[in-house]
Amino acid sequence: NAGVTQTPKFRVLKTGQSMTLLCAQDMNHEYMYWYRQDPGMGLRLIHYSVGEGTTAKGEVPDGYNVSRLKKQNFLLGLESAAPSQTSVYFCASSPNLSGYTFGSGTRLTVV
Amino acid sequence: GQQLNQSPQSMFIQEGEDVSMNCTSSSIFNTWLWYKQDPGEGPVLLIALYKAGELTSNGRLTAQFGITRKDSFLNISASIPSDVGIYFCAGQGQAGTALIFGKGTTLSVSS
Repeated sequence: NAGVTQTPKFRVLKTGQSMTLLCAQDMNHEYMYWYRQDPGMGLRLIHYSVGEGTTAKGEVPDGYNVSRLKKQNFLLGLESAAPSQTSVYFCASSPNLSGYTFGSGTRLTVV
Repeated sequence: GQQLNQSPQSMFIQEGEDVSMNCTSSSIFNTWLWYKQDPGEGPVLLIALYKAGELTSNGRLTAQFGITRKDSFLNISASIPSDVGIYFCAGQGQAGTALIFGKGTTLSVSS
């Protein structure tokens, strides 16, 4: 089915470890986003991309890096994981600046 | 930065009741959207509003873009158990900016 695919779906990291979350979309969307969702905080934008090879910071970018080497993929990296990064991470894509399609999320726990 | 105030934070209702929730902002938004998130899934777009004063329906759901462009509401009529979930409002301010999300309204429906 067409849409946004996130891998992995679950992950447990130790403090200080690194990892990369992968987001892939097959809808040829220009825009892609990474959000984190925490209880009572809603969805907060980490980084986003307005096209292949571009990235920009969102509301809460510290501790994360991103890359958009291919139009269909948007990678979110944690170089040195901290317990404060325990969250559910959502990727989204859109053909314009609204009408996002979300993935089903990655549940990350940092111990 | 721009913020959305979404209320109520949670609602507990009986099946068949009508529901109303709203979002307000101190800033003007050019687009308002309403999303629903089922447990363990990503948000799914319900209704998109693009003009001040616009009133749009999607089945039992009705949403309006406030004439001041600083608020929006969502009504759900004759609620059913599958309406359970978290409802998010989202707004886009300046052109070229990513969506900003409210903190969500958690809806519980008892049969």
